Amino acid sequence: NAGVTQTPKFQVLKTGQSMTLQCAQDMNHNSMYWYRQDPGMGLRLIYYSASEGTTDKGEVPNGYNVSRLNKREFSLRLESAAPSQTSVYFCASRARGGISEAFFGQGTRLTVV
Amino acid sequence: GIQVEQSPPDLILQEGANSTLRCNFSDSVNNLQWFHQNPWGQLINLFYIPSGTKQNGRLSATTVATERYSLLYISSSQTTDSGVYFCAVWGFMEYGNKLVFGAGTILRVKS
Repeated sequence: NAGVTQTPKFQVLKTGQSMTLQCAQDMNHNSMYWYRQDPGMGLRLIYYSASEGTTDKGEVPNGYNVSRLNKREFSLRLESAAPSQTSVYFCASRARGGISEAFFGQGTRLTVV
Repeated sequence: GIQVEQSPPDLILQEGANSTLRCNFSDSVNNLQWFHQNPWGQLINLFYIPSGTKQNGRLSATTVATERYSLLYISSSQTTDSGVYFCAVWGFMEYGNKLVFGAGTILRVKS
C-alpha cells in the first residue's frame, strides 16, 4: 500500500521557471492538501481540496495554483518560481472532514536559485 | 484560531531512558494526531488519538480532551527515535479547516 506519493523528491529551479509537483493517493480519500515547511515557521497550508472538483486557498496561496485532476491526484504548480518558494512541500490526504486521520507524502525538497 | 503548544522544545536522552512529551491545545477538538519527523524529513503517523489511550510497542499516547492536552510516552528510547515529534489538531481557520501543528519537540537520543 503506497499511501501518498509525491514526485519529484528533489528539484532545483532557476528564478522564473515553472514546475508542477505531483501528488497521488491510493486510499480513496476525499480531501487532499498541500503544505510547505520552512525552518521556524512550521507547516503552513497552501491549498486544499475538500473533495473532487473543489479547491480552496489556505494560509499562503500566493504564487501557487492547484488542480484536483481526479479523486486520486492533486497537483501544485509554481508558475514563476521565486527564491522565497524554496521549501519542503508536503502533500496530505484524509478520508473526510471532521473525524479522520491525515496521511502525508514523503515531501519534495525544492530549491529556487 | 486554535493554538497548539508542545513541551519541551528540546530533549536529549541517553539510550534506554524514558520520556514524556506534552501537547496542549486551546479549544475542544475531535481529532488529534502525533507525528514523528525523522532525520530524512518524512512525517510518520504515530497515533490518531482524539481521546483515551493507545499503545504501539514502546510508544503510547493519552489524550484528555476535556482538559485539552495529550501526552506521548517513549519508553526504552533508541537512537532511531531521534527526530522531531509533532502534535497536530484539526481546527477551523478563516480559510477553512486546517491541520494545526505545534512547534514540535526535537528529540536526540545518544548511544
